[in-house]
Amino acid sequence: EVQLVQSGAEVKKPGESLKISCRGSGYKFTSFWIGWVRQMPGKGLEWMGIIYPGDSDTRYSPSFQGQVTISADKSSNTAFLQWKRLKASDTAMYYCARREAPISHVDYWGQGTLVTVSS
Amino acid sequence: EIMMTQSPATLSVSPGERATLSCRASQSIRNNLAWFHQRPGQAPRLLIYGSSTRAAGIPARFSGSGSGTEFTLTISSLQSEDFGIYYCQEYNNRPPGTFGPGTKVDIK
Repeated sequence: EVQLVQSGAEVKKPGESLKISCRGSGYKFTSFWIGWVRQMPGKGLEWMGIIYPGDSDTRYSPSFQGQVTISADKSSNTAFLQWKRLKASDTAMYYCARREAPISHVDYWGQGTLVTVSS
Repeated sequence: EIMMTQSPATLSVSPGERATLSCRASQSIRNNLAWFHQRPGQAPRLLIYGSSTRAAGIPARFSGSGSGTEFTLTISSLQSEDFGIYYCQEYNNRPPGTFGPGTKVDIK
């Protein structure tokens, strides 16, 4: 059974760093792309970027380029989303999602990680 | 960058009734469109991909159609578990793609 299991909720202060994770199981992790999607409170879905764990090829949406870093560790079948300096506006639910190719549909989603940034 | 729009923003439907949701792309995306359903507090779930192919386990009451710039999701007989927000998403162009703003389907 394919599963994407995300790390737990985080509460951080502005200016702090953060790295959240998404572990894939039940499939060959290095053969599928993993993307990250932001959902701000009460708002819609926004693609942040995607990564191919096989070779770490990474594509960012223009709005998120330079704001976050997406990475993956093949040895642990885990993808990561990282911030160097959080802002209050980063408060959101973050989902990871699997897709077969950079231009293909999502087929599986993680359960989401809630990030709250507040002083 | 491709822009996606959805209409209506909100759709009030009685259980058992038919619901028709629209999605429009600012330029042709061929049939590279997916539909997702999200219930409050849950992750989205894939319903339709390739504009008209139902994902595994999705009931036949869900159907998708369209190509180019105009797409439709039809729910033939709405069930209680179908309420929530529906998003379309294009994956034709520069990855990772763009979501529409969503259509909220609520109980009439």
